[in-house]
Amino acid sequence: AQSVTQPDARVTVSEGASLQLRCKYSYFGTPYLFWYVQYPRQGLQLLLKYYPGDPVVQGVNGFEAEFSKSNSSFHLRKASVHWSDWAVYFCAVSMDTGNYKYVFGAGTRLKVIA
Amino acid sequence: GGIITQTPKFLIGQEGQKLTLKCQQNFNHDTMYWYRQDSGKGLRLIYYSITENDLQKGDLSEGYDASREKKSSFSLTVTSAQKNEMAVFLCASSIGLGQNTLYFGAGTRLSVL
Repeated sequence: AQSVTQPDARVTVSEGASLQLRCKYSYFGTPYLFWYVQYPRQGLQLLLKYYPGDPVVQGVNGFEAEFSKSNSSFHLRKASVHWSDWAVYFCAVSMDTGNYKYVFGAGTRLKVIA
Repeated sequence: GGIITQTPKFLIGQEGQKLTLKCQQNFNHDTMYWYRQDSGKGLRLIYYSITENDLQKGDLSEGYDASREKKSSFSLTVTSAQKNEMAVFLCASSIGLGQNTLYFGAGTRLSVL
């Protein structure tokens, strides 16, 4: 069965520092992978998505993620964090067929300090 | 662009009460979803619908009913609210199934006294 693990429930970084949020998935087919962000009192918004192809995916606001089949990972990165990045980040995987099912990780709460 | 509107934003109910949450989208998307979000957990799928009048159960459907009478709207009913229950219910839509991007509403926050 599909599963997604985000091992870090909370991450704190200084403004201007680099960021990596980790995501590990379990799925034996071809995964479609997503990062969504949830700002306070809002729904989730897409940051970026991976479809089979180039393993490095660029997203909005300077975010990027790298797919690794050998490590079953899809880590999110940003070179320089801004205070407005303070939010909860969710990794999700979807199957490679016409199936409804997304599986979401538990989320990583990012705090940005001065 | 489009928008997903969820009503109400906040819902306070009594134990055993039947409660209805509503969702409207103007993306003209075929597929709509209801997710439950609990603190510290990922989103869990309650119901989804691939077209008007279609309903499919998700992993968490027990205790809920859903209705999709129009393409643009999808409602969720908590059939009997559980005491001290607190959760956020998120509605989403997408063009089709599977690997398409989900577009979310801002959520309905439920508290049961």
